[in-house]
Amino acid sequence: NAGVTQTPKFRILKIGQSMTLQCTQDMNHNYMYWYRQDPGMGLKLIYYSVGAGITDKGEVPNGYNVSRSTTEDFPLRLELAAPSQTSVYFCASSYSGTGGLNPYEQYFGPGTRLTVT
Amino acid sequence: DQQVKQNSPSLSVQEGRISILNCDYTNSMFDYFLWYKKYPAEGPTFLISISSIKDKNEDGRFTVFLNKSAKHLSLHIVPSQPGDSAVYFCAASKWSNDYKLSFGAGTTVTVRA
Repeated sequence: NAGVTQTPKFRILKIGQSMTLQCTQDMNHNYMYWYRQDPGMGLKLIYYSVGAGITDKGEVPNGYNVSRSTTEDFPLRLELAAPSQTSVYFCASSYSGTGGLNPYEQYFGPGTRLTVT
Repeated sequence: DQQVKQNSPSLSVQEGRISILNCDYTNSMFDYFLWYKKYPAEGPTFLISISSIKDKNEDGRFTVFLNKSAKHLSLHIVPSQPGDSAVYFCAASKWSNDYKLSFGAGTTVTVRA
């Protein structure tokens, strides 16, 4: 199992550009989450998904969009990048269902460090 | 509004001694709590958790204590080892079917040899 993978690892964007952060998990988890972490701050939830075709806003969704067409993939789209979106982005997944896994225990990818200048 | 607070940004402890990390929360609806550990350039990894029906949970060198009346939890690491040097995040969740977590700002632990 690769777990949760994120690409790219690093990216520099100019103001106004767009990009998609990729997230894939191979654990057949139904729940997926996107967080951002700013320096000295905790992780803040951007968007989440409870299953394919279902997404919902988190705490800081403005400036972002997501889609969940498959169980495995949960891309995060940035439109019109702004300096305030400079951050480290983490994707996470968890499982709720039979099998005894703890649904609160989220598995994280290694992160994407994004700089907008 | 920060609902989960870790008021100590850093902690330095000697190898072999106890590390105590603290976390306070403001939302009385939180009923499940977790600690995550994060190394540089990696994602957070789950460490230990506790449900609000308990006041203590132990896993090897790691023990989490929950004081619901004070809305306070702590993580004890005994004995501390150099590999424990990392950032530790406290997280909390309300009972719901989305399992969303609210995170504290983290405490950086440095274990000195």
